[in-house]
Amino acid sequence: NAGVTQTPKFQVLKTGQSMTLQCAQDMNHNSMYWYRQDPGMGLRLIYYSASEGTTDKGEVPNGYNVSRLNKREFSLRLESAAPSQTSVYFCASSGRDGAYEQYFGPGTRLTVT
Amino acid sequence: AQSVSQHNHHVILSEAASLELGCNYSYGGTVNLFWYVQYPGQHLQLLLKYFSGDPLVKGIKGFEAEFIKSKFSFNLRKPSVQWSDTAEYFCAVNFFSGNTPLVFGKGTRLSVIA
Repeated sequence: NAGVTQTPKFQVLKTGQSMTLQCAQDMNHNSMYWYRQDPGMGLRLIYYSASEGTTDKGEVPNGYNVSRLNKREFSLRLESAAPSQTSVYFCASSGRDGAYEQYFGPGTRLTVT
Repeated sequence: AQSVSQHNHHVILSEAASLELGCNYSYGGTVNLFWYVQYPGQHLQLLLKYFSGDPLVKGIKGFEAEFIKSKFSFNLRKPSVQWSDTAEYFCAVNFFSGNTPLVFGKGTRLSVIA
């Protein structure tokens, strides 16, 4: 049982480049989330998916898109990276409608130059 | 909008000192409450949670938290901290209004010195 996995662990992009962060969970959870973590800002929700086939915006969705590929996988795409998107990105999943604890992946540290 | 406040940004304690980290939230309805810990360079791990019942909940590593509904608070405590408790601590709340994700506080960094 790997829990929540994320790839890649580290990434450096130039301004304007695109990339997709991958997330997968093997706990049969319905809900999945993408957060970004910046110093002094805590975790801010980018997008979430309450169930397969649905996605909703969080607090800071601008500049990002998501795809809930199936129940296991939830990807985050940066179409045109900007330095303001330099951050640590965490994926999480939860068992039932978000009302139970979230399990977090190891994170992706992204630097945009 | 619902919000979660952690008033201490950085706390520095000596080993064996007692710890209390504050957490307040903005909503008066039914909530689920969580404390997460993030050790340096690692991801968030659940310390403890409150759904219902006894408002004093015990978690891993000797941590406990008390839910005080009248004060909208869920403070984290530990009687005697260790150097290994150095980490960032996040309070999180699930506000019952449909399929809503957890709302996190901004975190409190705890540094424990020998």
